[in-house]
Amino acid sequence: AQKITQTQPGMFVQEKEAVTLDCTYDTSDQSYGLFWYKQPSSGEMIFLIYQGSYDEQNATEGRYSLNFQKARKSANLVISASQLGDSAMYFCAMREINFGNEKLTFGTGTRLTIIP
Amino acid sequence: DAMVIQNPRYQVTQFGKPVTLSCSQTLNHNVMYWYQQKSSQAPKLLFHYYDKDFNNEADTPDNFQSRRPNTSFCFLDIRSPGLGDAAMYLCATSLRLAVADTQYFGPGTRLTVL
Repeated sequence: AQKITQTQPGMFVQEKEAVTLDCTYDTSDQSYGLFWYKQPSSGEMIFLIYQGSYDEQNATEGRYSLNFQKARKSANLVISASQLGDSAMYFCAMREINFGNEKLTFGTGTRLTIIP
Repeated sequence: DAMVIQNPRYQVTQFGKPVTLSCSQTLNHNVMYWYQQKSSQAPKLLFHYYDKDFNNEADTPDNFQSRRPNTSFCFLDIRSPGLGDAAMYLCATSLRLAVADTQYFGPGTRLTVL
């Protein structure tokens, strides 16, 4: 079974609109971390936002917020007031510690295109 | 600004010719990682160092080796590159091995194998 599932391979959104990128995860651990990264065409992975499994409030960082629904095991990224520079690949990732080994597992990504 | 630096940004090598990719960090983080990312795929972890302790992923080919001579530098050596090794190679760091610790990535090195 996939640990991280991103069901939207690609999305097109009008500039200035809000966009939600979906992410569901699968783990039996109680303690885990959820991350979103942005990867422009240049290739660099840029950290956007983090949500801990014990955090009761949804994380926010500027225009980015994470809609964390623990019971549904979902961690959707919301980008408000989208800009042309938001066009990129977006990866959801989960960090777990298993048997003393930690691993960051990525989803397959969503390619977001902002239309002027 | 504290950062993760990778050199070179683009590397071209010939089939079977050894190549070394470099990563350095000014974050003073304990953990350094190497990922391989092929076109339109998610990054795949190759191995990581926690201080001097080396941890290899089970499915990382023997063709890939790594060295960490000090806290700041980590190298990825590909002993005999094949056409299938053409990819983006990403270096990342984190302060510790903890679920809450963010991994910070460098800009990547894009490897072409001729």
